[in-house]
Amino acid sequence: EPEVTQTPSHQVTQMGQEVILRCVPISNHLYFYWYRQILGQKVEFLVSFYNNEISEKSEIFDDQFSVERPDGSNFTLKIRSTKLEDSAMYFCAGRDSSSYEQYFGPGTRLTVT
Amino acid sequence: AQRVTQPEKLLSVFKGAPVELKCNYSYSGSPELFWYVQYSRQRLQLLLRHISRESIKGFTADLNKGETSFHLKKPFAQEEDSAMYYCALKNAGNMLTFGGGTRLMVKP
Repeated sequence: EPEVTQTPSHQVTQMGQEVILRCVPISNHLYFYWYRQILGQKVEFLVSFYNNEISEKSEIFDDQFSVERPDGSNFTLKIRSTKLEDSAMYFCAGRDSSSYEQYFGPGTRLTVT
Repeated sequence: AQRVTQPEKLLSVFKGAPVELKCNYSYSGSPELFWYVQYSRQRLQLLLRHISRESIKGFTADLNKGETSFHLKKPFAQEEDSAMYYCALKNAGNMLTFGGGTRLMVKP
């Protein structure tokens, strides 16, 4: 059964550095999402993406964040200048056009030091 | 604003005992609610959706609009049910708002 994959599984970076988190969605999915979960807190929506555009974003998703689908397969989340409070688990999810169900990746743990 | 509340961070029961994981929500529109489960070292996966009114792995959940609740129930818990359970509310744009999660531990 196809699965959403995410790389890396764990990323350690210094404050102020740029990071790119990568996701490979299931091939027939058209709608893509990023969520994050700070340790001990809720899973929070960041952004949704469809047809190469952001559909919806939360107030967390400020100018430091960006998403793109550069080559039709990867779906990336970039954080331009990381802060300590960006340390979290980041989940990618996707769904196809006929289903409500979002399929989640295993997550990337981002640690900002 | 939409919000999901799961009042219990941890629920511990013995095998064979009934389980009820509580979920309350606030949403101005017509709610669409889900339960997601995350087993140890696995990814988040959909357990059930209120519109389907189905039973998955013996779990059921009924949407109570009067009480704004969507509690998850199972009459007889099994050890393999031990996991994190998240209640989630979907808005019109498919954004999911999650509750804080409840860790269910089923003891032998």
